[in-house]
Amino acid sequence: AQKVTQAQTEISVVEKEDVTLDCVYETRDTTYYLFWYKQPPSGELVFLIRRNSFDEQNEISGRYSWNFQKSTSSFNFTITASQVVDSAVYFCALRGNRDDKIIFGKGTRLHILP
Amino acid sequence: DVKVTQSSRYLVKRTGEKVFLECVQDMDHENMFWYRQDPGLGLRLIYFSYDVKMKEKGDIPEGYSVSREKKERFSLILESASTNQTSMYLCASSVPGQAVFTEAFFGQGTRLTVV
Repeated sequence: AQKVTQAQTEISVVEKEDVTLDCVYETRDTTYYLFWYKQPPSGELVFLIRRNSFDEQNEISGRYSWNFQKSTSSFNFTITASQVVDSAVYFCALRGNRDDKIIFGKGTRLHILP
Repeated sequence: DVKVTQSSRYLVKRTGEKVFLECVQDMDHENMFWYRQDPGLGLRLIYFSYDVKMKEKGDIPEGYSVSREKKERFSLILESASTNQTSMYLCASSVPGQAVFTEAFFGQGTRLTVV
C-alpha cells in the first residue's frame, strides 16, 4: 500500500526564519512521482513541484527548495527567509505507476508570524 | 490555462437528500478524482475514474457513488446525505501513465453542509 506521512501537524516560525516541512513516503513501485501542494486560506490547492523517482536532484525555486532522498524515502521542502504570505497548509503527495491514484499526506499547517 | 470547475462553492442540504456534486475539466484528461478534506485528516480519496464509465474505489467510498458518462465530467453522488458527510469536497484531474506532467489539477472545492 502507498502512504505519505507528514509528521508535523502545525509549525509556527517568525518571519525571515527558514523552515523545513518533512514528508516521508512508502511505496512498492519502482517508478513513482512525488508532489508538493500549497493551500492558502482561500482554499484552492496550488501545485508547487513534481519529482519522479529517477531524478534525485534537489531543486531550488526562489526561496523554495526540495530535498529528495530515496535512501530515506523522504521529500522535504524548505522555505528560506519565510514571509507572511507563506502561511498556508502544505501537502505532500505520491503517485505510483501501477495505477494513477494520487495519495496525500495529512498536511502541515504553517504559520509565519510577523 | 488549465481549468477544473466545480458547480458549487457552497452547498447546504438536508439529511436524507440525494446530493450531486458536479465537476468539469477542459484539459481532455483521462483521470478524474474526488477527494474529501477534513481538518487533521488531509485529503482522502473517495473515488477515481481513469476513463469514461470506468471507476475505482478510493479509501473512503462508503456512502458515495460516482458517474462518468462523458470524459470531461465527473459527478459525485451522495445517495442519502448524512451529517457526517459535511466536509470540503475537491475534484481533480490528471493525465494517465508516465507522462511528463503527472500532477493533479484541482477545482476550487465545494463546501457541503448537511443539516
